[in-house]
Amino acid sequence: DGGITQSPKYLFRKEGQNVTLSCEQNLNHDAMYWYRQDPGQGLRLIYYSQIVNDFQKGDIAEGYSVSREKKESFPLTVTSAQKNPTAFYLCASSAQRGTGELFFGEGSRLTVL
Amino acid sequence: LAKTTQPISMDSYEGQEVNITCSHNNIATNDYITWYQQFPSQGPRFIIQGYKTKVTNEVASLFIPADRKSSTLSLPRVSLSDTAVYYCLVGGPGANNLFFGTGTRLTVIP
Repeated sequence: DGGITQSPKYLFRKEGQNVTLSCEQNLNHDAMYWYRQDPGQGLRLIYYSQIVNDFQKGDIAEGYSVSREKKESFPLTVTSAQKNPTAFYLCASSAQRGTGELFFGEGSRLTVL
Repeated sequence: LAKTTQPISMDSYEGQEVNITCSHNNIATNDYITWYQQFPSQGPRFIIQGYKTKVTNEVASLFIPADRKSSTLSLPRVSLSDTAVYYCLVGGPGANNLFFGTGTRLTVIP
């Protein structure tokens, strides 16, 4: 089935550690996005990529890094510089020539101990 | 940035029709209006999308007036499983500035 796969679903991290969240899509979409969601809040854009080997900062990029070496993959690294990393992270993709519809993964919940 | 405004929460009894209105005064000519549904600890999922007038699918209807500055999501005969947060977004292809806001938390009461 076509879709977006995020892993791991749950992740625990000690303060000062970097962690990488995986996002893979087989929808042949050009654009991919990472969002952060805090309890009771909407989604905030961290990074987005519209083509391979190119990505742009979103509204809250500080403390995060990404790469886009393959069309199918857009991993997100939460670095130790992120002051409040405990959150629900969502990856999405969309077709560049579509109508802007976003397809989301099931999310990764990161907890910093 | 096409910002949207929605009610924070709504309650409805099972079996009733629910209408959620979204304001988007600065919608651009090439923007579409898309509604998503999100359950706790899950990613949002697409419900319906439209550009103008009315769109209907198997789960909802979307009403868009001629000026496109607002839209109304209509859920017919809601059930308990429709309890979720509903987001209204405006944007076009390749949009990277979609504003999610806090959405509308719909609670369906038995």
